[in-house]
Amino acid sequence: GQQLNQSPQSMFIQEGEDVSMNCTSSSIFNTWLWYKQDPGEGPVLLIALYKAGELTSNGRLTAQFGITRKDSFLNISASIPSDVGIYFCAGQDNNDMRFGAGTRLTVKP
Amino acid sequence: DAGITQSPRHKVTETGTPVTLRCHQTENHRYMYWYRQDPGHGLRLIHYSYGVKDTDKGEVSDGYSVSRSKTEDFLLTLESATSSQTSVYFCAISEEAGLKRPQYFGPGTRLLVL
Repeated sequence: GQQLNQSPQSMFIQEGEDVSMNCTSSSIFNTWLWYKQDPGEGPVLLIALYKAGELTSNGRLTAQFGITRKDSFLNISASIPSDVGIYFCAGQDNNDMRFGAGTRLTVKP
Repeated sequence: DAGITQSPRHKVTETGTPVTLRCHQTENHRYMYWYRQDPGHGLRLIHYSYGVKDTDKGEVSDGYSVSRSKTEDFLLTLESATSSQTSVYFCAISEEAGLKRPQYFGPGTRLLVL
């Protein structure tokens, strides 16, 4: 089955910098989700997007559901050390959910 | 946090042995899922359940079976473990399928097949 194309694969940034990552698909999804995974833990839901064009914020995180329904991006503003982890996008269409391979974020103090 | 536990959290086994992983939820959610996570592949669906005794295959179901005899428990069985099944296994739950029903994940089980 097709997974989503998530980029970049990894990012090394300085504390305080903004971060942007995105996810694309050749298929349309009705829902886009962003998860964060800390080492040794399961993915935790950060933001859920349900409508094309929707822009949603959760604290310093902002995500958008692409107008074509084939992409989404996640921005993190003013990064802090606890933002370190792997960020996964997921596209959902009814009971079919596909994941990106993840963006590994490292934040240098 | 969603009330999802997985057991065991870590397991080492030998090729050819049967292995059962357990997922337990306290949310009374209808849907439960088993995923495996491997480097470079993200999360891939193995099997899912849409109710007691109702299950269906996912993307990578070969070599795995599941059972759900109670709403709160979803078991994943490797009948005869192989080294290619070394992975981290995650259980997830959702209230229903479809719009505005995101999946919530358990803490994972790390399985090493020697």
